[in-house]
Amino acid sequence: DGGITQSPKYLFRKEGQNVTLSCEQNLNHDAMYWYRQDPGQGLRLIYYSQIVNDFQKGDIAEGYSVSREKKESFPLTVTSAQKNPTAFYLCASSGDRDGRYEQYFGPGTRLTVT
Amino acid sequence: AQTVTQSQPEMSVQEAETVTLSCTYDTSESDYYLFWYKQPPSRQMILVIRQEAYKQQNATENRFSVNFQKAAKSFSLKISDSQLGDAAMYFCAYRRYQGGSEKLVFGKGTKLTVNP
Repeated sequence: DGGITQSPKYLFRKEGQNVTLSCEQNLNHDAMYWYRQDPGQGLRLIYYSQIVNDFQKGDIAEGYSVSREKKESFPLTVTSAQKNPTAFYLCASSGDRDGRYEQYFGPGTRLTVT
Repeated sequence: AQTVTQSQPEMSVQEAETVTLSCTYDTSESDYYLFWYKQPPSRQMILVIRQEAYKQQNATENRFSVNFQKAAKSFSLKISDSQLGDAAMYFCAYRRYQGGSEKLVFGKGTKLTVNP
């Protein structure tokens, strides 16, 4: 079954530590995305990648970094420079299903920094 | 800049009744996609329905339908025969395509409560 996996589901870190969130897809999609979700804010785009070895900043990229060395993987690092890292993080990929565009989402990772 | 506005932070409906969630968007493009996503308490984002702007016919998926008014830049979601499982956050989204890259712009969501 094709899909997107994110691990872990819950992640706890101490302030000042970098942390990397995993995102893997087996849908053979070129494009992948990272979103942050806070209460009352909807989904905000952090970074996105249209193709391997290339990525662009989204609306709230400060304090985050990404890499795209493989088509299947798009890890997100939350650095110590991110002022409010506690949030729910969603990874997505996009492609066509039956000739129609769709963006698919992983189950998300809840990050808590104390 | 493209923006998506959902003016109803919360809505409620009685089971088996019909409810309409509102969404407006701003764009200068003529061809685009619009989406409604559902996020239940599990927080998994689920595509409910999509609309291609070039299609005049409103999209329908079982109990879910949209009222797409292109000139008014309005894209409302109608849920008929509401069920308890419809309780969720609903997000309207616009697909932006620019310079060879594409991304979704989301509204802030509407929390739907279904009362038994």
